[in-house]
Amino acid sequence: EAQVTQNPRYLITVTGKKLTVTCSQNMNHEYMSWYRQDPGLGLRQIYYSMNVEVTDKGDVPEGYKVSRKEKRNFPLILESPSPNQTSLYFCASSLSFSPYYGYTFGSGTRLTVV
Amino acid sequence: GIQVEQSPPDLILQEGANSTLRCNFSDSVNNLQWFHQNPWGQLINLFYIPSGTKQNGRLSATTVATERYSLLYISSSQTTDSGVYFCAVGNNAGNMLTFGGGTRLMVKP
Repeated sequence: EAQVTQNPRYLITVTGKKLTVTCSQNMNHEYMSWYRQDPGLGLRQIYYSMNVEVTDKGDVPEGYKVSRKEKRNFPLILESPSPNQTSLYFCASSLSFSPYYGYTFGSGTRLTVV
Repeated sequence: GIQVEQSPPDLILQEGANSTLRCNFSDSVNNLQWFHQNPWGQLINLFYIPSGTKQNGRLSATTVATERYSLLYISSSQTTDSGVYFCAVGNNAGNMLTFGGGTRLMVKP
């Protein structure tokens, strides 16, 4: 089944403890991105990747890192999480870096930083 | 950037009723999608519809790109249709989707 898989689905952590949210797609998509969803602010893009080893900032990149060493994986790294990073996170992928393709989203990761 | 507005913000329906959700956008787009976010938070892709009309079961969507709006029709609504419906448009660079504020739908049995 074609899908975007995120792990974990739920995570509670403490301020300052480094964590990684994994994202993997099995559709051979070139383009991947991360969004966060917050009440009243909607979904906002954190980072995106056009292909292996090519990444760029979205609207809200502060406090996050990403890497794209393989085409299928695009992990989101929080080096020193803070409570304002408590949010619902989504990974998405698309066939290509182009406006002509639809996006597929993962099931989301609900992160709480205390 | 592109502005995306959805209406109505909230909608309550009785099971079996029909509804129309609207999405207005501020600029020409090559990428428009409708998503359903279920009560568990999952974002489900309903339609990729930058122009024209598509149907999938009880759901259909129409985008009139020249007039910068899209409509999502839900017929014979069911309680499982409850959740938030988002319209999202892609910028011409192809690197980002801008989401509307969503329509929160509740279908009562």
